[in-house]
Amino acid sequence: ILNVEQSPQSLHVQEGDSTNFTCSFPSSNFYALHWYRWETAKSPEALFVMTLNGDEKKKGRISATLNTKEGYSYLYIKGSQPEDSATYLCAFMVYSGGGADGLTFGKGTHLIIQP
Amino acid sequence: GAGVSQTPSNKVTEKGKYVELRCDPISGHTALYWYRQSLGQGPEFLIYFQGTGAADDSGLPNDRFFAVRPEGSVSTLKIQRTERGDSAVYLCASSLMGEDTQYFGPGTRLTVL
Repeated sequence: ILNVEQSPQSLHVQEGDSTNFTCSFPSSNFYALHWYRWETAKSPEALFVMTLNGDEKKKGRISATLNTKEGYSYLYIKGSQPEDSATYLCAFMVYSGGGADGLTFGKGTHLIIQP
Repeated sequence: GAGVSQTPSNKVTEKGKYVELRCDPISGHTALYWYRQSLGQGPEFLIYFQGTGAADDSGLPNDRFFAVRPEGSVSTLKIQRTERGDSAVYLCASSLMGEDTQYFGPGTRLTVL
């Protein structure tokens, strides 16, 4: 059974502050690590797909790093804005030899930005 | 362009009834996935289609759950003899062959009374 852990479970951050949270995953049979942002009543939105150890990706004020050897990824948000309020999900994809496969998700970090 | 769409957005049914949930993937996406998110949990993988065939159905919880994709586009998730524990948000996603990013629909919230 694959175990993907996210911490913290929820987070309140003041507008303008920077924040980060963690995703830990099994380090064996690694294929890819996905980050999604899920706002209430909307579709989960893909942020990043990361495959290489040491990879760092950036999209506006959001960035992510990946360590496949120790099995963790960090998501950073710089200068939080109210529109960043959402649940951030990470998901792990194993190498199955057949290409893209089903994702194993963590429970998410619920981020609330306070004006 | 149009994203993944799911219908209905909400479904309330009684215990023991049969339900069908529909997913329209992004045009041209050959891979289609179904996930279920129960309260307080992350989305849980159910089944994955590549074209018309189910490439991996290991996540279907029991034989009350069945999914089809007869023409390689629209998919229907079918749940027989619904139970209260089936109450969840059912998410569908699609992707292009050879690409890892999965594009999600808004989900169907199923409530079994």
